[in-house]
Amino acid sequence: EAQVTQNPRYLITVTGKKLTVTCSQNMNHEYMSWYRQDPGLGLRQIYYSMNVEVTDKGDVPEGYKVSRKEKRNFPLILESPSPNQTSLYFCASSSRRTSSYEQYFGPGTRLTVT
Amino acid sequence: GESVGLHLPTLSVQEGDNSIINCAYSNSASDYFIWYKQESGKGPQFIIDIRSNMDKRQGQRVTVLLNKTVKHLSLQIAATQPGDSAVYFCAEGHSGGGADGLTFGKGTHLIIQP
Repeated sequence: EAQVTQNPRYLITVTGKKLTVTCSQNMNHEYMSWYRQDPGLGLRQIYYSMNVEVTDKGDVPEGYKVSRKEKRNFPLILESPSPNQTSLYFCASSSRRTSSYEQYFGPGTRLTVT
Repeated sequence: GESVGLHLPTLSVQEGDNSIINCAYSNSASDYFIWYKQESGKGPQFIIDIRSNMDKRQGQRVTVLLNKTVKHLSLQIAATQPGDSAVYFCAEGHSGGGADGLTFGKGTHLIIQP
């Protein structure tokens, strides 16, 4: 089954404790993105990657890091989480070949930073 | 069905009626528009897209209309069913697809009344 998986689905952590949210897709997609979703603000792009070893900042990259060492994986790293990073996070992937925005989203990771 | 304003956080319709969800976009340079559906506890799911050289595009029970003059996008859902209950997002972007430059709207919560 074609899908994007994220782990963990839920995470409660404390300020300053480094964490990583993993994202993996099995569709051989070139493009991958991370979004955060907050009430009243909608979906905002954090980082995106056009291919392996190619990443770039989205609209709200501060406090986040990403890496794309393999085509299927695109982990999101919070080196020193803060309470304002409490949010619902989505990973998404899409294919360069279709020239469309038919992004496939993961199920989401709900992060709480206390 | 009913036509609502440019953006309402919530739209309530009777089961079986047609639903119209509206969206105003801001970037005149955007030439690609997408509608996503997000059910409770899930990631957004692609519904339909339209390029700026089109005014209308139809899918299964859904129609997207684009009015570039007033920068307005709408999603029409025919014969609304309980499974249509979700938050619907419009998004705008630029041609060529890709992982960057996609801007999401705030979303409209569609509630189906029995």
